[in-house]
Amino acid sequence: SQELEQSPQSLIVQEGKNLTINCTSSKTLYGLYWYKQKYGEGLIFLMMLQKGGEEKSHEKITAKLDEKKQQSSLHITASQPSHAGIYLCGALGPGNQFYFGTGTSLTVIP
Amino acid sequence: DAGVIQSPRHEVTEMGQEVTLRCKPISGHNSLFWYRQTMMRGLELLIYFNNNVPIDDSGMPEDRFSAKMPNASFSTLKIQPSEPRDSAVYFCASSFRRTVMTTGELFFGEGSRLTVL
Repeated sequence: SQELEQSPQSLIVQEGKNLTINCTSSKTLYGLYWYKQKYGEGLIFLMMLQKGGEEKSHEKITAKLDEKKQQSSLHITASQPSHAGIYLCGALGPGNQFYFGTGTSLTVIP
Repeated sequence: DAGVIQSPRHEVTEMGQEVTLRCKPISGHNSLFWYRQTMMRGLELLIYFNNNVPIDDSGMPEDRFSAKMPNASFSTLKIQPSEPRDSAVYFCASSFRRTVMTTGELFFGEGSRLTVL
């Protein structure tokens, strides 16, 4: 089965700092999705990447899918307390299941 | 347009009782997913439906768990009998699957927090 490993597992940063979260797949990715979850709430879609080398940005969040399509990174510039939460990458598996990564918990200290 | 609607939001029950969680997907979506989230195991896919048909239920932990989707606008996840280790947040999500290899973004409900005493 397809596995998605995220690193780091948790991250504590000072407000204003940049940070990167990585998502590595055990198999080729046909679509990589990034979600954010605030504690105790549902998941919110951030962006989707499909093509190798693709890069998308939304406000201060940028996501990239590497050329070989087995890894994606999520970069936050000038982090703010509103960025705090759990970031999850997701992807379609070989049986068309939709799997999620292990998650990265982000804390931003004002 | 209303999002994915789950009920109940919170459920506290005693071991051995039957629990039924409900989900109304977004109108027009043709895929529905049930997930369970715990601190220890993260977000686990339990089962997913495509066009109301269960495609893969390999994530369902035991025979105590069952899920149905009688029509495009309603799905249930049932646990009978419930056990303390079933305590978790259960999420329902829906999407529009465009092709075999791609799907639109998943839209999640707010979740049903289950506590089994």
